[in-house]
Amino acid sequence: GENVEQHPSTLSVQEGDSAVIKCTYSDSASNYFPWYKQELGKGPQLIIDIRSNVGEKKDQRIAVTLNKTAKHFSLHITETQPEDSAVYFCAASRGATDSWGKLQFGAGTQVVVTP
Amino acid sequence: EAQVTQNPRYLITVTGKKLTVTCSQNMNHEYMSWYRQDPGLGLRQIYYSMNVEVTDKGDVPEGYKVSRKEKRNFPLILESPSPNQTSLYFCASSPTHVNEAFFGQGTRLTVV
Repeated sequence: GENVEQHPSTLSVQEGDSAVIKCTYSDSASNYFPWYKQELGKGPQLIIDIRSNVGEKKDQRIAVTLNKTAKHFSLHITETQPEDSAVYFCAASRGATDSWGKLQFGAGTQVVVTP
Repeated sequence: EAQVTQNPRYLITVTGKKLTVTCSQNMNHEYMSWYRQDPGLGLRQIYYSMNVEVTDKGDVPEGYKVSRKEKRNFPLILESPSPNQTSLYFCASSPTHVNEAFFGQGTRLTVV
């Protein structure tokens, strides 16, 4: 089955700096890669996702890149703000190629943005 | 308001006492799933359901049961809870498994 590894487990950045979180996956058939943000005491919320037919996607200060050959994808947050402090999860799924597809999550990254 | 509702939010129980955590969504989603969240392990899928009466095991199904008799509800059943099932549980729903998943607020379960 799919295995998703996420690094680093914790990330401390100064406000205004950039943050990068990296994930690798094992199943070459995976083609859907979402990122979720979990604030304290809440359930995870989708912040961005990418499908295997694109290499990069951007939404304001957030961007995700995908390298299918190397089987890794990354989340980039620019101009970090204190409200970016949260736990971030990457995930991978086979998507439409597998009608019984599961969503496999990484272990999470605790991001702390210090003013 | 579109939402996934879990109940209860907090539960302390004793080993062996059957319990059910309810999950309901009002978005007419076909796909629903249960996860447990443990420190350092992220979110691990327990069971998922592609539609009414269609369920399958996730990565950590042992000790859990689910049912999907109606589209909106997907309860998680612990027939005989044990201390290693102490965890934070999340229910989620989405149109399919490759669309945005909407998570509930979580249920913190402690088994003593």
